[in-house]
Amino acid sequence: AQKITQTQPGMFVQEKEAVTLDCTYDTSDPSYGLFWYKQPSSGEMIFLIYQGSYDQQNATEGRYSLNFQKARKSANLVISASQLGDSAMYFCAIYSSYKLIFGSGTRLLVRP
Amino acid sequence: NAGVTQTPKFQVLKTGQSMTLQCAQDMNHEYMSWYRQDPGMGLRLIHYSVGAGITDQGEVPNGYNVSRSTTEDFPLRLLSAAPSQTSVYFCASSYFRGASGTQYFGPGTRLLVL
Repeated sequence: AQKITQTQPGMFVQEKEAVTLDCTYDTSDPSYGLFWYKQPSSGEMIFLIYQGSYDQQNATEGRYSLNFQKARKSANLVISASQLGDSAMYFCAIYSSYKLIFGSGTRLLVRP
Repeated sequence: NAGVTQTPKFQVLKTGQSMTLQCAQDMNHEYMSWYRQDPGMGLRLIHYSVGAGITDQGEVPNGYNVSRSTTEDFPLRLLSAAPSQTSVYFCASSYFRGASGTQYFGPGTRLLVL
């Protein structure tokens, strides 16, 4: 069975600085996808970035990048130039064997 | 496109009552799924479907039933509500492209079971 671990329950970052949110995963499937979602206080789930297990390059989407280290089974999210609107819960998830499994999340607070 | 819609937005039930949470999508997505999110926790997969007529269990299926008679709709049934089922329920859908199908989430249904 697949598993996602997010070890940082909460983090602070200063506005305009970069921050890294950690995510490790476990799966026996050779083909899988890794996702990051943002959940603001309003509650909706917002897709941020995707990385496929066979992708050679790290995924990037604007200020978001995914630091994919396959051998270490890690998929950390890097947010550059943090903004106040980045304050939210962030969830890492793995898709394999038809199932999308989420981690417990990291609450990020951006300080002005 | 309306995307993924869920009804109702809020619901209060008494223990033992049954109800159906509705989920619909207009993007012709093959894959649909239901999650629950308890306070301060991540989403847990309840049931999923890879197409009309095909459903399977997720991480926490007990107490819930699903069916998929059309591509658009994927209702979730609570047979006999329990306080432990108090949660926020999210429905999601995606194209079934193996590991690359980005899930689009509905706005959620807040359920309180007394």
